[in-house]
Amino acid sequence: AQKITQTQPGMFVQEKEAVTLDCTYDTSDPSYGLFWYKQPSSGEMIFLIYQGSYDQQNATEGRYSLNFQKARKSANLVISASQLGDSAMYFCAMRGVDNYGQNFVFGPGTRLSVLP
Amino acid sequence: DGGITQSPKYLFRKEGQNVTLSCEQNLNHDAMYWYRQDPGQGLRLIYYSQIVNDFQKGDIAEGYSVSREKKESFPLTVTSAQKNPTAFYLCASSIELAGEGNNEQFFGPGTRLTVL
Repeated sequence: AQKITQTQPGMFVQEKEAVTLDCTYDTSDPSYGLFWYKQPSSGEMIFLIYQGSYDQQNATEGRYSLNFQKARKSANLVISASQLGDSAMYFCAMRGVDNYGQNFVFGPGTRLSVLP
Repeated sequence: DGGITQSPKYLFRKEGQNVTLSCEQNLNHDAMYWYRQDPGQGLRLIYYSQIVNDFQKGDIAEGYSVSREKKESFPLTVTSAQKNPTAFYLCASSIELAGEGNNEQFFGPGTRLTVL
């Protein structure tokens, strides 16, 4: 079975500083994808960044980068130069393959608070 | 503009009544998903559908039902058998591809259901 673990229920960061949100995963599938989503207080889920299991380089999208360590099964999100608008819940997710087809599994989330 | 719509944003129902939450997408995606989110929690998969006229139970399908008669629509019915239906419900869709690729899920704005 696939599983996502996010061990940080809440994180604080000073504005303009960088922050790392942890994510570890468990899967026996040789091919999978890892995603990070942001959920502001409004409730919408916003896609941030994707890393494929065979990608050689760490994914980057603007201020977001993914520190992918395949052997350790970790996919930490790094946010550089934090902004007040980054305060939100952050979810790590994995796309795997079950008996029927593809499926997504989400972690419990980390609440990030950016301090002025 | 392409996207996913969920209506209504807020829904109130009396205990014992069935209620149907709508989800429509114009992204031409094959796969659609329903998630439940309780306060301070992650997303839990209720049902998903990889193709029209077919759907599979997720982790918490008891007390819920779905249909997928059209590619664009994936309505969720919360039945009176669901013991604690008050929650935030999110619908999502994704392109269904075999193998690798950024197969992110696109989310609707959600429906907040309150059972009185």
